[in-house]
Amino acid sequence: DQQVKQNSPSLSVQEGRISILNCDYTNSMFDYFLWYKKYPAEGPTFLISISSIKDKNEDGRFTVFLNKSAKHLSLHIVPSQPGDSAVYFCAATPGGSGNTGKLIFGQGTTLQVKP
Amino acid sequence: KAGVTQTPRYLIKTRGQQVTLSCSPISGHRSVSWYQQTPGQGLQFLFEYFSETQRNKGNFPGRFSGRQFSNSRSEMNVSTLELGDSALYLCASSPFGATPLYYGYTFGSGTRLTVV
Repeated sequence: DQQVKQNSPSLSVQEGRISILNCDYTNSMFDYFLWYKKYPAEGPTFLISISSIKDKNEDGRFTVFLNKSAKHLSLHIVPSQPGDSAVYFCAATPGGSGNTGKLIFGQGTTLQVKP
Repeated sequence: KAGVTQTPRYLIKTRGQQVTLSCSPISGHRSVSWYQQTPGQGLQFLFEYFSETQRNKGNFPGRFSGRQFSNSRSEMNVSTLELGDSALYLCASSPFGATPLYYGYTFGSGTRLTVV
């Protein structure tokens, strides 16, 4: 079963506009959520995270919103830049000693930012 | 500060062979996790090691194994390779193995394994 879902395989936006990447999850035990960016032939790079006790976390151009009741989170990138073009992965972890090191990833969304 | 180093970057093996992949974590990081990335299944957790002990394991067959050395370097081994094992294998490190709220796990660039 896919516990973390990114239903949009791709997204295209104009430079300077907002990019919104969405992620849904099914496991209510997840307590941390993370977003990673991945370029071809490289490993994922950590972008931003949020705890389940928060509903928003902001870091520069990146903001993550969490709606626990809807089991939904989103990543907003404002303003979008061509260098943001990459695959974005949503990931979740239940936390706790029994789940150390384990991230459950979505399938990824390919973002293209057009100049 | 050096990142997570994985060797080799590319590998071609024949079905039935075995393979060993290496991961050197960031200096001071004691937790190493391994992931498999395929087009069909995405990124899937293999196992996690901390202080030379496997603490967590994903849903992979016993052909997939790993170990961690006293210097925190880790290796994973896949025996009796199958065509479906062709994938990008990624390792990630973190200082404590606790949930990385503020900075996430740091990933290496991966080893691309092709089984023919």
